[in-house]
Amino acid sequence: GQNIDQPTEMTATEGAIVQINCTYQTSGFNGLFWYQQHAGEAPTFLSYNVLDGLEEKGRFSSFLSRSKGYSYLLLKELQMKDSASYLCAVMDSNYQLIWGAGTKLIIKP
Amino acid sequence: GAVVSQHPSWVICKSGTSVKIECRSLDFQATTMFWYRQFPKQSLMLMATSNEGSKATYEQGVEKDKFLINHASLTLSTLTVTSAHPEDSSFYICSARPGGTGDSYEQYFGPGTRLTVT
Repeated sequence: GQNIDQPTEMTATEGAIVQINCTYQTSGFNGLFWYQQHAGEAPTFLSYNVLDGLEEKGRFSSFLSRSKGYSYLLLKELQMKDSASYLCAVMDSNYQLIWGAGTKLIIKP
Repeated sequence: GAVVSQHPSWVICKSGTSVKIECRSLDFQATTMFWYRQFPKQSLMLMATSNEGSKATYEQGVEKDKFLINHASLTLSTLTVTSAHPEDSSFYICSARPGGTGDSYEQYFGPGTRLTVT
């Protein structure tokens, strides 16, 4: 079956760095997405990785290793507004998005 | 660019009635639109995928006669929840994927519709 695993919840301190991991097992791979979702709102796009390596975009970076079925989202200089759920999603061979359950990130002052 | 709207943003209806939710891509043509449902503290659950001009493809366990999807144009898809029951109360989110985007298959999400069935 297809499976996306990510931690349920993480806590970090304002100004610090946090890494949210995602491991996946899917039928085929056409890219991995990270989305941010604030409570009661729809997800917003953060990043897309289809090749191995690190993609940096401001305070957020995303890493992919296809051989290991592994990705992480790195958030630097954490701000209170970064408190949200972070969703990992993999596009399978049918170009369908397979979603992880999301990681709730709590930022403390 | 790449804005998706949903209407209504929230709706309360009585059990047994039907509710229609609209999803529009405002500044691009969406060859494919997706409908998701999200219960509190849970992840997105794909309900169906619709391609313009053809019948929607429903995920296992989703009743196609209860959740009617119409994707009549490249900018509009509608989800109708027929004979709604309290257990249908949820956050319904649509997303749209532009045609011809090359290697990125990014989906753009609408703001969601919160349905409460009393």
